[in-house]
Formats: sequence, C-alpha cells, structure tokens
Amino acid sequence: KAGVTQTPRYLIKTRGQQVTLSCSPISGHRSVSWYQQTPGQGLQFLFEYFSETQRNKGNFPGRFSGRQFSNSRSEMNVSTLELGDSALYLCASSGQVYNSGANVLTFGAGSRLTVL
Amino acid sequence: AQSVTQPDIHITVSEGASLELRCNYSYGATPYLFWYVQSPGQGLQLLLKYFSGDTLVQGIKGFEAEFKRSQSSFNLRKPSVHWSDAAEYFCAVEGNEKLTFGTGTRLTIIP
Repeated sequence: KAGVTQTPRYLIKTRGQQVTLSCSPISGHRSVSWYQQTPGQGLQFLFEYFSETQRNKGNFPGRFSGRQFSNSRSEMNVSTLELGDSALYLCASSGQVYNSGANVLTFGAGSRLTVL
Repeated sequence: AQSVTQPDIHITVSEGASLELRCNYSYGATPYLFWYVQSPGQGLQLLLKYFSGDTLVQGIKGFEAEFKRSQSSFNLRKPSVHWSDAAEYFCAVEGNEKLTFGTGTRLTIIP
C-alpha cells in the first residue's frame, strides 16, 4: 500500500510569507504527527492530530498551526516565516491510538523548506 | 520528561566490520524504544522497536538492538556492515504521546 505522501517536497519562501504543507497518511491511519528537523535542534515534535482533533502540541510558537481533515489528510501552516524556520518538515502517520500501546510511526520523505 | 542521548555524533567503520551505535534514554515508566534510519534527503525508516518481552530485538537489514533496563540503554548492532548502511541513525523513546529523538549518529562506511 502507498506510504505517507508529503507535498511539496521542496519549496523556497521569503521572510514574512506563509507556507502550507500537506500530508496524506497511509490509508486507514487516523493519527498524523508533524516533526521539524534542523541541523541545530534535531528532530522536534510539532503536533499530533487524531480524527480531526489536535491531541498534543510541541513547544513551538503560534505561527505554527495545523489541521486534519475528515479523510485524515493533514496540513500544517507556518505564518510570518523567519529564517530559522528553514528545515525539513516530516509527517508521520500511525494506525494505533496513543495510550493503547506503543505507537509505531511511518514517516514521509519530508518537505524541505528554505526561507530566504 | 523523557530524553534520549546518542553520545556518538559520527562513526566510521570499514565495510564488513561490526557496528554498535549507543543510545541511552531517560523515562520514568516502561519505555517504548525505537531505532530509525535516515538516508540523505529522505524521511525516517523504522529499523526496529522494543515494546516488552525479549530484550534482544531483531529488525530489518540485519540490525538488532538490546534493551538493558539497568543501564537505560538500547544499543543498535550489526555484525557486518555494508556500504549501503551509510546513513544517519536515530534512537527514540515514546512518551507523553510523542516520540523524543536523540541527536543522531552519522555512519560512514569505508571500503
């Protein structure tokens, strides 16, 4: 079956702009998580959605937001872009529910954002 | 809060040699532990996971890891590396409904 699909794979923006990234999870998976990966900070958790509800959020400013649709597809948005937002943004999906056992994440290839 | 330490930033090994990547975790309860691998420009691929039971877990591509509660460690091993194993390896612990990753170990293979 198809894996986690992220679009676009690469994009370049300028400071002050906003960006929307998309993630299509594995069919049947209802949980979608987002992570930011940078050389300096490594992999950091952004947020997690399950059945259109944000259940958990990492320590990022309010400029970072997301949502999940009824078909489990998810988008994340970053407004008023800063140079430090340049990163690889990874989406992961899971067919398990947290608190019901270990949650195995399957990651997409990521969206590489460059802010100039 | 949980945390993961990967003390080795970069490791270089010869093709055919054995490999051990170190991982130490901090978590108050029984940990769920993972090893992921990332090739350049790619996402993360799950190598193996530990939930409970047998402390020696087998993964894909010939990798294995051993959970040692007394040492809070979950080291990754492979008896004989191949050039295709060159990548970055991340250890992670699940807790508080999210994965917390280590900073990664970059593996270089020399012929």
